[in-house]
Amino acid sequence: NIVLTQSPASLAVILGQKATISCTASESVNKFGINLMHWYQQKPGQLPKILIYNEFSRAPGIPARFSGDEAELNFTLTIEPVEADDVATYYCQQGLTFPLTFGSGTKLEIK
Amino acid sequence: QVQLKESGPGLVQPSQTLSLTCTVAGFSLTSYNVHWVRQPPGKGLEWMGVIWNTGGTRYNSALKSRLSISKDTSKSQVFLKMNSLQTEDTATYYCARAATYGYFDYWGQGVMVTVSS
Repeated sequence: NIVLTQSPASLAVILGQKATISCTASESVNKFGINLMHWYQQKPGQLPKILIYNEFSRAPGIPARFSGDEAELNFTLTIEPVEADDVATYYCQQGLTFPLTFGSGTKLEIK
Repeated sequence: QVQLKESGPGLVQPSQTLSLTCTVAGFSLTSYNVHWVRQPPGKGLEWMGVIWNTGGTRYNSALKSRLSISKDTSKSQVFLKMNSLQTEDTATYYCARAATYGYFDYWGQGVMVTVSS
């Protein structure tokens, strides 16, 4: 199974500053040159919502404040500038092999 | 408008079988794959299994012996059955539509299932 190690577990950021969440995959999630790494936002009491798919592509309606990047199996979700509405738990997910797996989640709070 | 909605019992007794239904709208089950994902209270997301648009299935090996997913395309419904439930199966169960690259573009609201006597 592909293990996704997500860090930090929680993160407190000042409004307007940058939040960086990391997700390290235990092996490649690349298929035909596309990294099948996806990011979700789950606000308290709500269902998950796709933010970023295929490493860096924003889902429809997702603002440019959210961006994805990758460096040698280490995937990053960046939120800049952070807004109050971004308080949520963020999960990475790989779509390459079964079982599909998720990271353990990062809880973002406003400092 | 794409919609998914889970339904089923909120309480199941230990050792019993869980039966959930996911009713979809706005797309055809012959064109999209539908997955089940669950989330224990206060914990992360666990992929359970998928039913392909073709009708084939794939399960999480951790659940494989207990889990069955099927569908009725004419009724736009996907079914989950899981037997031998234990307290650790207490979770919110989601059905979700999968897009091309294995991400979930639409989710149901989820149904909370408590396993307790």
